[in-house]
Amino acid sequence: DIQMTQSPSSLSASVGDRVTITCRASQSISTYLNWYQQKPGKAPKLLIYAASSLQSGVPSRFSGSGSGTDFTLTISSLQPEDFATYYCQQSYSVSPRTFGQGTKVEIK
Amino acid sequence: EVQLVESGGGLVQPGQSLRLSCAASGFTFSNFEMSWVRQAPGRGLEWLSYINSGADTVYYADSVKGRFTISRDNAKNSLYLQMNYLRPEDTAVYYCARDLNSWSVYYFDYWGQGTLVTVSS
Repeated sequence: DIQMTQSPSSLSASVGDRVTITCRASQSISTYLNWYQQKPGKAPKLLIYAASSLQSGVPSRFSGSGSGTDFTLTISSLQPEDFATYYCQQSYSVSPRTFGQGTKVEIK
Repeated sequence: EVQLVESGGGLVQPGQSLRLSCAASGFTFSNFEMSWVRQAPGRGLEWLSYINSGADTVYYADSVKGRFTISRDNAKNSLYLQMNYLRPEDTAVYYCARDLNSWSVYYFDYWGQGTLVTVSS
């Protein structure tokens, strides 16, 4: 199975900060990498698919990059509504479809 | 508007069974692949199972293989997860998700609100 490792597990940031979250795959997954945002008590929401494609309706301050084994989710200017947990997920292998362990973005 | 609404969760004892349903609306259900994903309390997301649009291809995570069965009824716009031999570690919120396949890139573009399954004696 392909393992996904996110770093950091949590971070504290202020409104307006640039935030970067990293996701590493245990083997090359090309650009088969998606990012989701989850707020407490809510379902996950798709942000980025295929490593760098912004899902419709998602603010442009979110961006994704990377290929192979190393990927990055960047929030260019953190907004109050962005405090949440973020998950990467690989779809190179249809089964199993593994997620990273999550990165919690908290208010500093 | 795409909507996915799960139902069927609840409290069950270890070893018992439960059937989850996911009612889909706002899109042509029969054209889309679907998956189930769960989240144990305070934990991350775990993909469980996938079914293609024609229901002739299914996949399972090792953690549920042989115990859970995914199915769908395209005439009723519904997705199901039959869960047998439930264990305490199956306690989680269960989500159904639309599994979009765009040029062989798969991603979960819509999710239901989730249904809580608690397995405890």
